[in-house]
Amino acid sequence: NAGVTQTPKFQVLKTGQSMTLQCAQDMNHEYMSWYRQDPGMGLRLIHYSVGAGITDQGEVPNGYNVSRSTTEDFPLRLLSAAPSQTSVYFCATTPTERGTGELFFGEGSRLTVL
Amino acid sequence: GENVEQHPSTLSVQEGDSAVIKCTYSDSASNYFPWYKQELGKRPQLIIDIRSNVGEKKDQRIAVTLNKTAKHFSLHITETQPEDSAVYFCAASEDGGFKTIFGAGTRLFVKA
Repeated sequence: NAGVTQTPKFQVLKTGQSMTLQCAQDMNHEYMSWYRQDPGMGLRLIHYSVGAGITDQGEVPNGYNVSRSTTEDFPLRLLSAAPSQTSVYFCATTPTERGTGELFFGEGSRLTVL
Repeated sequence: GENVEQHPSTLSVQEGDSAVIKCTYSDSASNYFPWYKQELGKRPQLIIDIRSNVGEKKDQRIAVTLNKTAKHFSLHITETQPEDSAVYFCAASEDGGFKTIFGAGTRLFVKA
């Protein structure tokens, strides 16, 4: 099992460019989520999904889009990148009803917006 | 929505001493309180958790306490070791992990 796989690991963008951070999991978890981590601010929830076809906003959703067409994948899209979106992004999953509530994190994607 | 506050932001202790990190939460509907450890350049990993029907839980050198009335929960690490040096996050959620909200983190330094 690969667990939670994020790609790319590193990315540099210019202001206004678009990109998609990929998250794939092979644990058959229903719940998937995206966090951003900034120094001194912990992990802030961007968007989450409780299953295919269902997404919702977290604490800091502005500037980000998500979709969930399959159980395995939960991509995070930046339509027009801004320097304020420079951060480390983590995808996290949990099995919800069948599990304890523990979040399983990917290795993270470091994004720099110039 | 839920808001989790964590203190202190930085904690330095001597090897062998105890370390205590405290958190408060705002949403009385939260019923699951995990603690994650993040080593430099790594992903966060769960070290211990507690549910709202339990007041205290212990796992070897780490323990968590929960005061539902005051909406406080704490992490206690005894006999600290240099490998305990990391950033620790408290968090709160409803329904066992759903929409988990994190505190800002505590950077723990254990001096040998």
